[in-house]
Amino acid sequence: QSVLTQPPSASETPGQRVTISCSGSSSNIGRNTVNWYQQLPGTAPKLLIFSDSQRPSGVPDRFSGSKSGTSASLAISGLQSEDEADYYCAAWEDSLDGVLFGGGTKVTVL
Amino acid sequence: DVQLLQSGGGLVQPGGSLRLSCAASGFTLSQYALSWVRQAPGKGLEWVSILSDSRGTYYADSVKGRFIISSDNSKNTLYLQMNSLRSEDTAAYYCAKPGLAGWGVPYYFDSWGQGTLVTVSS
Repeated sequence: QSVLTQPPSASETPGQRVTISCSGSSSNIGRNTVNWYQQLPGTAPKLLIFSDSQRPSGVPDRFSGSKSGTSASLAISGLQSEDEADYYCAAWEDSLDGVLFGGGTKVTVL
Repeated sequence: DVQLLQSGGGLVQPGGSLRLSCAASGFTLSQYALSWVRQAPGKGLEWVSILSDSRGTYYADSVKGRFIISSDNSKNTLYLQMNSLRSEDTAAYYCAKPGLAGWGVPYYFDSWGQGTLVTVSS
């Protein structure tokens, strides 16, 4: 199955804003909500954003999500060193009755 | 507190079999459609399979016909039976719990197991 399309990497200096895009199609992002996960090295993924733009309790409001049509984006403002991680978008895929993940974006804090 | 404690995994030869377990606590397994997600070394996340008491089981094409997802509700435990293993099945396997009970969207994972490594090699 195809994956959702994300840029492989993104970088910015501390305090700046970085945005990660996630492109899909009408059978996934176009019809269903998008979720974002953060994965620190050697650990399990952690839910960062659900239902396009909702933050679970405990996630700083520096993290925000949005969606338009068949694309979504994650923004991290006020970038901090601890934000260095891999970020994955995900959405339900109707034709699969399962989940599609993006390829992941490695965020580097310069 | 919700916990997913995984066991199983290890080194297996190509063509062999292995069973992973995911013991759930803090919630009733049968009320949620849990999934297995895997991650090959240095690669991204890949959804593997989902089990719903009401809707049944579904699989990624890459494992269909070889892997079987099941559960023992009396033990509140999810399983993944992996047969005819190939080198490309080498990965860390995670069980993941959705945030909402039942079937349907929005479907997102709010809890993950610690992961277990499966290595397929001769």
